Amino acid sequence: EPEVTQTPSHQVTQMGQEVILRCVPISNHLYFYWYRQILGQKVEFLVSFYNNEISEKSEIFDDQFSVERPDGSNFTLKIRSTKLEDSAMYFCASSEDQGAPGYTFGSGTRLTVV
Amino acid sequence: AQSVSQHNHHVILSEAASLELGCNYSYGGTVNLFWYVQYPGQHLQLLLKYFSGDPLVKGIKGFEAEFIKSKFSFNLRKPSVQWSDTAEYFCAVNARTGANNLFFGTGTRLTVIP
Repeated sequence: EPEVTQTPSHQVTQMGQEVILRCVPISNHLYFYWYRQILGQKVEFLVSFYNNEISEKSEIFDDQFSVERPDGSNFTLKIRSTKLEDSAMYFCASSEDQGAPGYTFGSGTRLTVV
Repeated sequence: AQSVSQHNHHVILSEAASLELGCNYSYGGTVNLFWYVQYPGQHLQLLLKYFSGDPLVKGIKGFEAEFIKSKFSFNLRKPSVQWSDTAEYFCAVNARTGANNLFFGTGTRLTVIP
């Protein structure tokens, strides 16, 4: 069964450093998403991406965050200057069409900011 | 704005007991409804989904959920749980039209005791 692959599985970074979280969506999917889950809290929507541009973003997704599809396979989330409160599990997802029914989530990257 | 409430934070059951996890949502329009499961250390997996039609939806692993529109509810049920059902369960909703992102509840941790 096709999978969404995320790397690394765990990243530790110092406060103020830039991090890039990587995702390889399912190859024929057109819509890409990032969600995050702070420990003990709900999964929260960050951003959706279609046709090489952001289609939706939440209040969490401020100027410190950016997304990019640098080539035909990767989809990255960059946090420019990490804060302690950015520590969370970050999930990438992709879908074939504009319908959450087709969502497939990756296994997540646990980001720890120290 | 959409919101999802899961009132049970942690449920502990013995094997073979019946399960019902509550989910209520708040949204003025038409929604799609989902239950996801997250086994320890793994990614979110779709258990079942409701778009339209029969409000009683059957999913994988013997789970089912019933959409009751008048109560804005989408409770998850299983007649007889197994130890392997130990996991975190998330209810989620997205609007049938407009933005494609999912709104998640805070999750319910299910512990099944052998």
